[in-house]
Amino acid sequence: NAGVTQTPKFRILKIGQSMTLQCAQDMNHNYMYWYRQDPGMGLKLIYYSVGAGITDKGEVPNGYNVSRSTTEDFPLRLELAAPSQTSVYFCASGPDSSYEQYFGPGTRLTVT
Amino acid sequence: GQNIDQPTEMTATEGAIVQINCTYQTSGFNGLFWYQQHAGEAPTFLSYNVLDGLEEKGRFSSFLSRSKGYSYLLLKELQMKDSASYLCALHSGAGSYQLTFGKGTKLSVIP
Repeated sequence: NAGVTQTPKFRILKIGQSMTLQCAQDMNHNYMYWYRQDPGMGLKLIYYSVGAGITDKGEVPNGYNVSRSTTEDFPLRLELAAPSQTSVYFCASGPDSSYEQYFGPGTRLTVT
Repeated sequence: GQNIDQPTEMTATEGAIVQINCTYQTSGFNGLFWYQQHAGEAPTFLSYNVLDGLEEKGRFSSFLSRSKGYSYLLLKELQMKDSASYLCALHSGAGSYQLTFGKGTKLSVIP
């Protein structure tokens, strides 16, 4: 099992550009999550999904969109990138909400 | 809302015991997680407390007191590789699948 994979590892965007952060898991987990982590801060939940076709907003969803067409994939879309979106983005998955979340290696995004 | 407080940094000596505290204010939660995060890496699961009391897992133990709004992570026989950030997170219960994380405690283990 590869676990949770994320691409790309690093990316630099110009203000106003768009991009998609990819996340995939091969553990057949129903629950998937996107977090961002700013320096010296805890992780903040952006969006989550409880299964294919079902997504919901977390604590900081503005400026982001998600989709969940399959159990395996949970891409995060940034439209009109802003410097405030400079962060490390982590995707995680879990078998259900009562168990631990397994994190991907992260994507380090810089918007300049 | 939920509020979680942890010390920002701690330093401890190799071979010693260290206790990392986490206090919280919340209207309700299902359980409390502890995660370890090495610099530049993803968080990894350490423990999950649902009931009050101590949960022991090897060199690491975690304690929860719901009445006092308090948890701690106890690390014994510290090793250099334990230098990392330790994140406390509240897990909301039924109908909500969110983890609310504290800012983390950066532990430095010195020889």
